[in-house]
Amino acid sequence: DTGVSQDPRHKITKRGQNVTFRCDPISEHNRLYWYRQTLGQGPEFLTYFQNEAQLEKSRLLSDRFSAERPKGSFSTLEIQRTEQGDSAMYLCASSLGGDSSYEQYFGPGTRLTVT
Amino acid sequence: AQSVTQLGSHVSVSEGALVLLRCNYSSSVPPYLFWYVQYPNQGLQLLLKYTTGATLVKGINGFEAEFKKSETSFHLTKPSAHMSDAAEYFCAVSYNTNAGKSTFGDGTTLTVKP
Repeated sequence: DTGVSQDPRHKITKRGQNVTFRCDPISEHNRLYWYRQTLGQGPEFLTYFQNEAQLEKSRLLSDRFSAERPKGSFSTLEIQRTEQGDSAMYLCASSLGGDSSYEQYFGPGTRLTVT
Repeated sequence: AQSVTQLGSHVSVSEGALVLLRCNYSSSVPPYLFWYVQYPNQGLQLLLKYTTGATLVKGINGFEAEFKKSETSFHLTKPSAHMSDAAEYFCAVSYNTNAGKSTFGDGTTLTVKP
C-alpha cells in the first residue's frame, strides 16, 4: 500500500493557462474524490468517481474544470483558462467500496498558484 | 444540508496539558463523523471516526472523541499534549446516502507551548 499520490506537488502558472493535475489512488479503492482547499478553510468537495463513472460534480466546479478517471484507475483534473481565484490546494482522496462510513485516504495535494 | 462548525480557529495549550478541540455538526440524518490532522504542506490524515455503535471512539496518537447526539457535538480530546501534536485539525461529517462526500469545518490550528 503506497498511499494516494498526486503530481505535481506544486504548480505555478500564469492566468489564462491550462493546467492538469494527476491523482493515483490506492489500488483497490474504487471511489476517488477531488477537493479544493483555500487558506484558512477546510477542504470543499468538487467531484467524485465510482470506478470510471463521474457520479457527482459540485457547483464549485465551473465549466473550466474537467475531471476524468479512465479505466477507473488514476484521475486527472484539468483547469482551463486559469484565474487567480483558482489558486488553492487541490486534494485527491480515495476510499474502498460504496459505504460512506469508509474513511477517505488523502494524497499530499497539489498547490496551484496562478499569477 | 449538513454543516460543521469548529469553535476556535486557534487553540494554544502547554505541553502536557489537556487538548480540547470543539466540533458541532448539523445533519438531518444520522451522521458519520471524522477528525483529520493536517501538517504543513501535507494531505489530511485520519485520526478517528464515528459511524455507529460506541459513542466514545479512540484514535491514533492518544486522541479520542465522543459523539453526543443531544448536543450535536463530536469534540476531540487528548489528555496530555505533545509538541508533535501541533498541526491543523479538521472535523468532517458525512452520511450514509451521500456517497461519502465529506463536509469539513474550517479547521482549528493547535499550538503547543513548551
